[in-house]
Amino acid sequence: EPEVTQTPSHQVTQMGQEVILRCVPISNHLYFYWYRQILGQKVEFLVSFYNNEISEKSEIFDDQFSVERPDGSNFTLKIRSTKLEDSAMYFCASSGLTGELFFGEGSRLTVL
Amino acid sequence: GQQLNQSPQSMFIQEGEDVSMNCTSSSIFNTWLWYKQDPGEGPVLLIALYKAGELTSNGRLTAQFGITRKDSFLNISASIPSDVGIYFCAGQGLDGTASKLTFGTGTRLQVTL
Repeated sequence: EPEVTQTPSHQVTQMGQEVILRCVPISNHLYFYWYRQILGQKVEFLVSFYNNEISEKSEIFDDQFSVERPDGSNFTLKIRSTKLEDSAMYFCASSGLTGELFFGEGSRLTVL
Repeated sequence: GQQLNQSPQSMFIQEGEDVSMNCTSSSIFNTWLWYKQDPGEGPVLLIALYKAGELTSNGRLTAQFGITRKDSFLNISASIPSDVGIYFCAGQGLDGTASKLTFGTGTRLQVTL
């Protein structure tokens, strides 16, 4: 069964460092998303991406965040200068024409 | 912003019991989805609802899209230990296929033998 894959599964970084989280969406999907989940809280929308541009972003997705689809398969989230409060699980998701989102297993980011 | 409130926040039930949880919103949604999340993993889609009033089943799961488009419920019949996890409702807006999901606050289900 096709699935969304994410790497790394866990990253530990120092405050102020840049982090890139990678995702391979389901191959025939056209819409891509990043969500995050702070420990014990609900899943929060960060950004959606379609046709090589951002469709929508939340207020969480400030200038420190960027997304890119560098080739035909990967979808990345970059955090330029990490803060302690960026520690969370980051989930990539993709959807096709039905609009149902399928999520990856997540990348746990720990900022020290 | 849009808020989805789920109730109950948590449930402790015995194996074999039926479970019911619901989700209410301050806004209308075009689509309702229910996800289950196991610890340390991503949300897994259980059921998707596309029309107001729609009742859909997936095995022991049944979900309904409220007539007002502002609420949904999920029922699990004859619960088993592997039903343990956090259940999230999610509403998808009116902006088209690529619109984001707004997640509910979650219902944590614990099943005792």
